[in-house]
Amino acid sequence: EPEVTQTPSHQVTQMGQEVILRCVPISNHLYFYWYRQILGQKVEFLVSFYNNEISEKSEIFDDQFSVERPDGSNFTLKIRSTKLEDSAMYFCASPKGAANYGYTFGSGTRLTVV
Amino acid sequence: ELKVEQNPLFLSMQEGKNYTIYCNYSTTSDRLYWYRQDPGKSLESLFVLLSNGAVKQEGRLMASLDTKARLSTLHITAAVHDLSATYFCAVEGSGTYKYIFGTGTRLKVLA
Repeated sequence: EPEVTQTPSHQVTQMGQEVILRCVPISNHLYFYWYRQILGQKVEFLVSFYNNEISEKSEIFDDQFSVERPDGSNFTLKIRSTKLEDSAMYFCASPKGAANYGYTFGSGTRLTVV
Repeated sequence: ELKVEQNPLFLSMQEGKNYTIYCNYSTTSDRLYWYRQDPGKSLESLFVLLSNGAVKQEGRLMASLDTKARLSTLHITAAVHDLSATYFCAVEGSGTYKYIFGTGTRLKVLA
């Protein structure tokens, strides 16, 4: 099965610092997604990105968050000024095939804000 | 607003037993997905259910979808320890490709 690669696998950052999480999705797909999972809780939608634009975002995705596709392959999630409550696993996802065949999720980045 | 609920939240069962996990959702959708998550790991796709009455089986797991009842079930037959994990259902809302996940069911199979 094609892979969705995320880096880093774990990042520890000071509160107030900026972090950039990276994802290399399955190629040739125009839809990409970011989700997060606070430890022990359910998976929450953050943002979907279609054809280099945000197509939908949740209430969680406020002004401190941004997404980019800087070079046509990587897909980044930036958190400008991290807060303690941003500590979570962040997953990117890409459709497996046609959009309704489900997603493949990346391996995740564990973000710890101290 | 689409809401997705799973029950039970926790399930401890003996090896060899059968059990069912339920996933209810609040608004119309005919696309539902089941994922497995091992501790500290990513989400592994188990089943894709795209129509009313869809039934999929893989090994000891079988998933079904009743869109009229807004209900999906994940049935476990003759559980084995390797099935211990957290299972999530996810529903795709109408007019959107985003998933709304259920609360998850943490399954522990005891030898």
